[in-house]
Amino acid sequence: GQQVMQIPQYQHVQEGEDFTTYCNSSTTLSNIQWYKQRPGGHPVFLIQLVKSGEVKKQKRLTFQFGEAKKNSSLHITATQTTDVGTYFCADQTGNQFYFGTGTSLTVIP
Amino acid sequence: DVKVTQSSRYLVKRTGEKVFLECVQDMDHENMFWYRQDPGLGLRLIYFSYDVKMKEKGDIPEGYSVSREKKERFSLILESASTNQTSMYLCASNSIPIGDTQYFGPGTRLTVL
Repeated sequence: GQQVMQIPQYQHVQEGEDFTTYCNSSTTLSNIQWYKQRPGGHPVFLIQLVKSGEVKKQKRLTFQFGEAKKNSSLHITATQTTDVGTYFCADQTGNQFYFGTGTSLTVIP
Repeated sequence: DVKVTQSSRYLVKRTGEKVFLECVQDMDHENMFWYRQDPGLGLRLIYFSYDVKMKEKGDIPEGYSVSREKKERFSLILESASTNQTSMYLCASNSIPIGDTQYFGPGTRLTVL
C-alpha cells in the first residue's frame, strides 16, 4: 500500500519552543488529514488539507500541504504542555487511509 | 455527539484462543475500519468495510478476519491468537464522501500470553 513517512519519530521540546513534524510520500498524496492522539487516548481529527500549497491555521498550529502534494507539515508555535501527544498524518486514497508513523511530542515544563 | 465504542479497553488471552473484538458506531456511517497500533509503526490497516457484509483487506490482514452483519457493528476476529498479535486495536468509522474525517473508538489493548 501507500507509504507515508513521518519524521521525526520523537521530539522533546522545552515549553515555549516551536515544534514541527513532517509527512512525506514518494507518490502524490490525495488529501492529507492530521490527527492528534493524547497519551492513553485515541486519534482525534485536527484538520484536512486538499489543495496544492494549502496553508491552514488553528490558533498556534499551522498546517501546510506541499506544492507537489508529496509532503505536508504541522508546526506548533510556542508549545504548551497541553500539546503533548502523538501527531499523525493520513492520506486518504479512495476509501482507505494510509497513516504516517507518527511523531511523539514531549513538552518539558 | 459522535460515538464509536469498543467492547473492551483491555483484554488478556492465551495463545491459540479465538478472540472477538467488537466495535459499534452510532453515526450511521457506511465505512468502518480496524487498525492496529504499534510503537514506531503508526496505525496499520487490517480490514475495512464499506457496507454491510462487504469487506476489504488492508495492509496486514493475515491472521485476522472480520464480520459486518449490521451497519453499526464491525467485528475483528483473531482465529487463533498469537503473541505477535499483542497490540492496541483501534476501530474507526466515517461516512462515504471523500475527505470525511475518521472517528476512532477508545481502543482495545490486547495482550496474548
